[in-house]
Amino acid sequence: DQQVKQNSPSLSVQEGRISILNCDYTNSMFDYFLWYKKYPAEGPTFLISISSIKDKNEDGRFTVFLNKSAKHLSLHIVPSQPGDSAVYFCAALSLNAGNMLTFGGGTRLMVKP
Amino acid sequence: NAGVTQTPKFRILKIGQSMTLQCTQDMNHNYMYWYRQDPGMGLKLIYYSVGAGITDKGEVPNGYNVSRSTTEDFPLRLELAAPSQTSVYFCATSTGGNTQYFGPGTRLTVL
Repeated sequence: DQQVKQNSPSLSVQEGRISILNCDYTNSMFDYFLWYKKYPAEGPTFLISISSIKDKNEDGRFTVFLNKSAKHLSLHIVPSQPGDSAVYFCAALSLNAGNMLTFGGGTRLMVKP
Repeated sequence: NAGVTQTPKFRILKIGQSMTLQCTQDMNHNYMYWYRQDPGMGLKLIYYSVGAGITDKGEVPNGYNVSRSTTEDFPLRLELAAPSQTSVYFCATSTGGNTQYFGPGTRLTVL
């Protein structure tokens, strides 16, 4: 039973355009949602997060939107750059029980020059 | 600061062999985690620790053991390696807040 799902395994976008990565979850008790970026042969690196009581968080080119009624969040990257090409993981955090992260399966983003 | 370091980077094991994956951090974080990532999949939590001397199971603990005798180190032990344990293993740390910091990973193949 996957609690966090990323239904698009890959996404291709032209440089300068917007990239939209989507994530769905089933557990209403998650406290935070996070996006991690992963390059090949490296560990995931934290990108941006949003509290479950917010509906938007912005950091430079990256904005995360949370729709609690739909149990859906999305990451917008504007403008997309070739260096953004990586695998993006959506993750959900429960603050109890050791602050465990539950990850989605990832979306591979390719930004074409 | 080195952050989170993992050794070895790569390892090939035969079925039934044992090994320890090492994880060391110099960030003085209390929380430490072990995840595995299978090809094309997300990361799954194996074990975690909220401080020295305290460990607990995650989502997929079978076939693994951990110990936490110091703040800095959180080794993961495989006692009887099986092909199903072929994966990339990531160690992570946290202050207990909402961000975890990951090491570079150990790629393990069991043949």
